[in-house]
Amino acid sequence: QKEVEQNSGPLSVPEGAIASLNCTYSDRGSQSFFWYRQYSGKSPELIMSIYSNGDKEDGRFTAQLNKASQYVSLLIRDSQPSDSATYLCAVFYNNAGNMLTFGGGTRLMVKP
Amino acid sequence: EAGVAQSPRYKIIEKRQSVAFWCNPISGHATLYWYQQILGQGPKLLIQFQNNGVVDDSQLPKDRFSAERLKGVDSTLKIQPAKLEDSAVYLCASSSTGGNQPQHFGDGTRLSIL
Repeated sequence: QKEVEQNSGPLSVPEGAIASLNCTYSDRGSQSFFWYRQYSGKSPELIMSIYSNGDKEDGRFTAQLNKASQYVSLLIRDSQPSDSATYLCAVFYNNAGNMLTFGGGTRLMVKP
Repeated sequence: EAGVAQSPRYKIIEKRQSVAFWCNPISGHATLYWYQQILGQGPKLLIQFQNNGVVDDSQLPKDRFSAERLKGVDSTLKIQPAKLEDSAVYLCASSSTGGNQPQHFGDGTRLSIL
């Protein structure tokens, strides 16, 4: 069974700090990786996608992918209270089913 | 660009009743997904459509859940009869071509079973 694992948190960081969110996955055949942000009571919102090993930066967000170690991470620089949300890691398996599998999410709290 | 539209936003029913949800994807998106998100968990895929054909429904409880996308645009998801464990948010998402393309979510329908 394909699994995506995240620490449920909460991860608490002070305003202005770097928040580091981690995700591991079980299937080496995984090809595409996504980070979604979900505010309480709202739907998931795509913030980053990454397809190859290394780092991908977009504003204050950096996604890091290491396929050999089967983990993907999201760094949020200069964290703001508005970043407080649950961050969902999603992994696309390009095998039978072509299914996007989500982790349980990590709740991030940024304290002023 | 209009996003994914879903209705209703909230629904409260008693167990053993039936309920239906509606979704209109982003214009031009061929692929439509229905997810179930239980409180504190990530979304779980129930069914995926490519145009009006089913691509994957392996996690759909077919004894009580059904879904259709007859004209390849709007979709409905039905539960009949509902059970207490069906209490969740039902999310609809769409993507341009499926596969590993990013999925965009609607606001969801929050279902409570009494």
